[in-house]
Amino acid sequence: EAGVAQSPRYKIIEKRQSVAFWCNPISGHATLYWYQQILGQGPKLLIQFQNNGVVDDSQLPKDRFSAERLKGVDSTLKIQPAKLEDSAVYLCASSPSALAVTNEQFFGPGTRLTVL
Amino acid sequence: AQKVTQAQTEISVVEKEDVTLDCVYETRDTTYYLFWYKQPPSGELVFLIRRNSFDEQNEISGRYSWNFQKSTSSFNFTITASQVVDSAVYFCALSEGGTGFQKLVFGTGTRLLVSP
Repeated sequence: EAGVAQSPRYKIIEKRQSVAFWCNPISGHATLYWYQQILGQGPKLLIQFQNNGVVDDSQLPKDRFSAERLKGVDSTLKIQPAKLEDSAVYLCASSPSALAVTNEQFFGPGTRLTVL
Repeated sequence: AQKVTQAQTEISVVEKEDVTLDCVYETRDTTYYLFWYKQPPSGELVFLIRRNSFDEQNEISGRYSWNFQKSTSSFNFTITASQVVDSAVYFCALSEGGTGFQKLVFGTGTRLLVSP
């Protein structure tokens, strides 16, 4: 079974530029998560989708971050414009369903973003 | 509000030593779930274990064991006879069960270095 795929693996941009990250979850997984992991910290949930609907985006900085999951499969996270403090690893995870609170999440390898 | 504290930032041991990683959590819910994830250098978080708040039984899986104590709000993780392959960052996480959706709050992680 293929795991969660993310691209690109690394991205370097200058502040005020735009960037987009892509995630393809495990086939059949209804729930998709985007996390931000700043160096030395634990992952912080940015947004959670159940199929193509948003379940929780309370910690997403909506003035600059946006995410979509068209057709309930793969997803794109965008930052526009980027700030220095956005430098982090962006992790995508999926699970069969967030409605089952006990489900484990399966994580992708992440995209390491450096904003100069 | 829920919170997870991992006070140990980094632990260094020599192979075959036993090591315990501490995790203390805060929640107002009576129903909640605790998790441990491992993050090797490749970056992908790997699920290790889940416990629910109604099950205080300790668990052993090979060289891994977990001690859940509600009285002290702790969910500690012990690796027996550590190996170099155990070197990674370990995260403890909490999800409250009240909403029906899983929303993980992670601690800051403990980096474990096992030297030969």
